[in-house]
Amino acid sequence: GAGVSQSPRYKVAKRGQDVALRCDPISGHVSLFWYQQALGQGPEFLTYFQNEAQLDKSGLPSDRFFAERPEGSVSTLKIQRTQQEDSAVYLCASSVPSGVPNNEQFFGPGTRLTVL
Amino acid sequence: DAKTTQPPSMDCAEGRAANLPCNHSTISGNEYVYWYRQIHSQGPQYIIHGLKNNETNEMASLIITEDRKSSTLILPHATLRDTAVYYCIDLNYGGATNKLIFGTGTLLAVQP
Repeated sequence: GAGVSQSPRYKVAKRGQDVALRCDPISGHVSLFWYQQALGQGPEFLTYFQNEAQLDKSGLPSDRFFAERPEGSVSTLKIQRTQQEDSAVYLCASSVPSGVPNNEQFFGPGTRLTVL
Repeated sequence: DAKTTQPPSMDCAEGRAANLPCNHSTISGNEYVYWYRQIHSQGPQYIIHGLKNNETNEMASLIITEDRKSSTLILPHATLRDTAVYYCIDLNYGGATNKLIFGTGTLLAVQP
């Protein structure tokens, strides 16, 4: 079956531009996560949705970062006024909610953002 | 910050067992041990998890010490396709978020 998909796979932005990154989770998965991965580092948590509700946004690095999941399926991560330090791979993952014995998160391939 | 510690890199000969260690010095009673791996240019992939008993699946085996302060992921017959960064993670299963806190992992290089 289809896994988690993300688009675009690569994005180059000029400093100061706004960008929008899309995530299509696995159908039926109610939990959705965004992570940021800098070069040579492990992924870092950004935010978490359960259905359309954003339950945890503690990892968002600044108010320039905004995420939404209005209908509880597709999610968009928006970064306003991009800075060079925003350059990273942005990973999306989906899973069924806690309470299921194996809370495996399924990751997409990521979007590589380069800010010039 | 990550709660686990791992060696930064390891080598393994193709066909041999790969044993990847992890220290869980601050693991609490309601936290599970999870292992993920990340092949170059891909998203992380779940491998296995356990609480206190040893576990085995089609991908790997997980050995957890009795005090739960360390674990070992075993790939019984490593192949070149197992070359990846391996992450061990303490996860508060049943918590509000179940977010994964990655460290820098162990880069396993399987040599032909």
